[in-house]
Amino acid sequence: DGGITQSPKYLFRKEGQNVTLSCEQNLNHDAMYWYRQDPGQGLRLIYYSQIVNDFQKGDIAEGYSVSREKKESFPLTVTSAQKNPTAFYLCASLDLLAPQSTEAFFGQGTRLTVV
Amino acid sequence: DQQVKQNSPSLSVQEGRISILNCDYTNSMFDYFLWYKKYPAEGPTFLISISSIKDKNEDGRFTVFLNKSAKHLSLHIVPSQPGDSAVYFCAASRVGSNTGKLIFGQGTTLQVKP
Repeated sequence: DGGITQSPKYLFRKEGQNVTLSCEQNLNHDAMYWYRQDPGQGLRLIYYSQIVNDFQKGDIAEGYSVSREKKESFPLTVTSAQKNPTAFYLCASLDLLAPQSTEAFFGQGTRLTVV
Repeated sequence: DQQVKQNSPSLSVQEGRISILNCDYTNSMFDYFLWYKKYPAEGPTFLISISSIKDKNEDGRFTVFLNKSAKHLSLHIVPSQPGDSAVYFCAASRVGSNTGKLIFGQGTTLQVKP
């Protein structure tokens, strides 16, 4: 079964700590994305990657970092510099080579809470 | 600068009636539009999409209408069912940018009452 797996589903972090959210896909998609969902604000783009070893900042990249060492994996690190990290984080992937390739597939999300 | 807006945070309809969810956008470069459905604590799932070369796309109970001159699209669900109760997100994209980036609206929470 192809899909996107995010782990963990729930994550608690102490203030001042970095934490890494995992995202793995077996859809053979080149492009991967991280979005953040806050109440009343929809989904906002944090980072995206169109190819291995390359990634670009989205609209709210400050306080986050990513890596793309493998096609299947796109982990997101929430650093201590992120002022308000408590949110629901969603990873997505997309086949850029497919016709009308804009149907992104999403993982189940990670709920991060700073305690 | 909110490029995609869903001005109604919530909508309540009776089972069997029509649900109409609205979405407005400001960027005329957007050429592909999607609707996603999301349950709490889950990822969004793709529902239906429409290219800017069309003004209507239908899939079963779901129809999306696009009015390019008004920069407005709407999702019609007929008939509405209790299982349709969820948050619906409108999203827009520029296919030509080849980045696959989606710009989302704030979402509309639909409640379908039995």
